Amino acid sequence: DVKVTQSSRYLVKRTGEKVFLECVQDMDHENMFWYRQDPGLGLRLIYFSYDVKMKEKGDIPEGYSVSREKKERFSLILESASTNQTSMYLCASISFTTGKNIQYFGAGTRLSVL
Amino acid sequence: GDSVTQMEGPVTLSEEAFLTINCTYTATGYPSLFWYVQYPGEGLQLLLKATKADDKGSNKGFEATYRKETTSFHLEKGSVQVSDSAVYFCALILMDSNYQLIWGAGTKLIIKP
Repeated sequence: DVKVTQSSRYLVKRTGEKVFLECVQDMDHENMFWYRQDPGLGLRLIYFSYDVKMKEKGDIPEGYSVSREKKERFSLILESASTNQTSMYLCASISFTTGKNIQYFGAGTRLSVL
Repeated sequence: GDSVTQMEGPVTLSEEAFLTINCTYTATGYPSLFWYVQYPGEGLQLLLKATKADDKGSNKGFEATYRKETTSFHLEKGSVQVSDSAVYFCALILMDSNYQLIWGAGTKLIIKP
């Protein structure tokens, strides 16, 4: 079975804290994504990675960074959390080499910044 | 169930031709709609998006309008270039879904000089 695992379902952090969101996929996918999902705004791409150590900015990269040291793991980092980063964060992966066109998502991490 | 249907490819056009790639969807609720593009040898890139009815997404000369009445999100460009050759994917996500993006099968676009 396809599996994308995010390390936490719920997180509560304080303003100014450094926050790490971890994502692991077991499908040997090349491409991994971090999105945030907010009511009324749909899914917004924060960063994506198409290979180890490669990253590309999405639509809203400000305030975030990412790390992809291994193919299976893609981490999202909030250097100094702010209340406007309270959101649902979604990790996804996809491989086009298999011919499948479903982007697989983790269950999501709901982050609250107080 | 929820689904996205794209026109089958490959679509082959001459440079400067007008492009339309059709996309229709079936979904409960109010999805957000996306077009993604994959250039040869590269990963996925978000091309444009629309989050509510009548929104028009645009980027790099491409446009798509969210048509709720026809459940469509057709991609258009007035004058294509060879560099637009790529695979284009239409996708949707539902606000109350299990966060899985529903994708079309992709349409390969070939632009000849």
